[in-house]
Amino acid sequence: SQKIEQNSEALNIQEGKTATLTCNYTNYSPAYLQWYRQDPGRGPVFLLLIRENEKEKRKERLKVTFDTTLKQSLFHITASQPADSATYLCALDRGDSSYKLIFGSGTRLLVRP
Amino acid sequence: KAGVTQTPRYLIKTRGQQVTLSCSPISGHRSVSWYQQTPGQGLQFLFEYFSETQRNKGNFPGRFSGRQFSNSRSEMNVSTLELGDSALYLCASTPLQGAGGELFFGEGSRLTVL
Repeated sequence: SQKIEQNSEALNIQEGKTATLTCNYTNYSPAYLQWYRQDPGRGPVFLLLIRENEKEKRKERLKVTFDTTLKQSLFHITASQPADSATYLCALDRGDSSYKLIFGSGTRLLVRP
Repeated sequence: KAGVTQTPRYLIKTRGQQVTLSCSPISGHRSVSWYQQTPGQGLQFLFEYFSETQRNKGNFPGRFSGRQFSNSRSEMNVSTLELGDSALYLCASTPLQGAGGELFFGEGSRLTVL
C-alpha cells in the first residue's frame, strides 16, 4: 500500500542546534515533495518545494534533501529558535499529475530556550 | 494581498444536519482544494476545483460535495452529518493551472458534530 511516514514522536531540541525531520514514503514516485509548517489551530504554511531531479534545496535556515532511491526527504532547521516550535508536515504528489497532495501526519518540533 | 478566507471559523452541528463551508481564494488563484484534518487521519484530500470544474476527488462518501463559482470562490457541503465528520476543514488555493505548486491554506473551519 502507499504510505508516507513522519516521526510521530515530538522532536525536542535545544535552541541553537540543528533540527532534522524525516519523511519516508513507499509505493509512490512523486514528481515533487513539499514541506509545510502548522501552528496549533492554524492552517499549514508552505516552506519549501523540491523536485525529483533536485537533491537539495535551501532557504535561509532551512534545507531540504530528496533521495528518490531511498524514498526519503530530510528537512533541516539550522540554528533553531523557540519560534521554530511547530508541527512540520511533508506532502508529495502521486506522480500522476493529479492535483492532489498526500500529507504525512507531521512531526512536532519543540525548541527549548 | 488578502489570504485565503474561510467562513465560518467555528461551527457546531448535530448528527443528521448538513453544513456548508465557504472559501474565498487569493485574488487571481483559480485552483481551490479542500482537505479534512483530524488527529487520527491527518490531512486528507477531499477535492480540487479549477475554473468551476472538479478535477480530482478524494476517497470520501457522496455526502461530501463541493462546487466552485465563476469568481473562483468555493463551497463544500456535508450532508447527514456523522460524529466522525468533526474535523478542521481546510481550503487551499494556488495560482497554477497545472499540478506542482505550493498551496496557500486558509485558517480552516472547525466543525464539531454532536
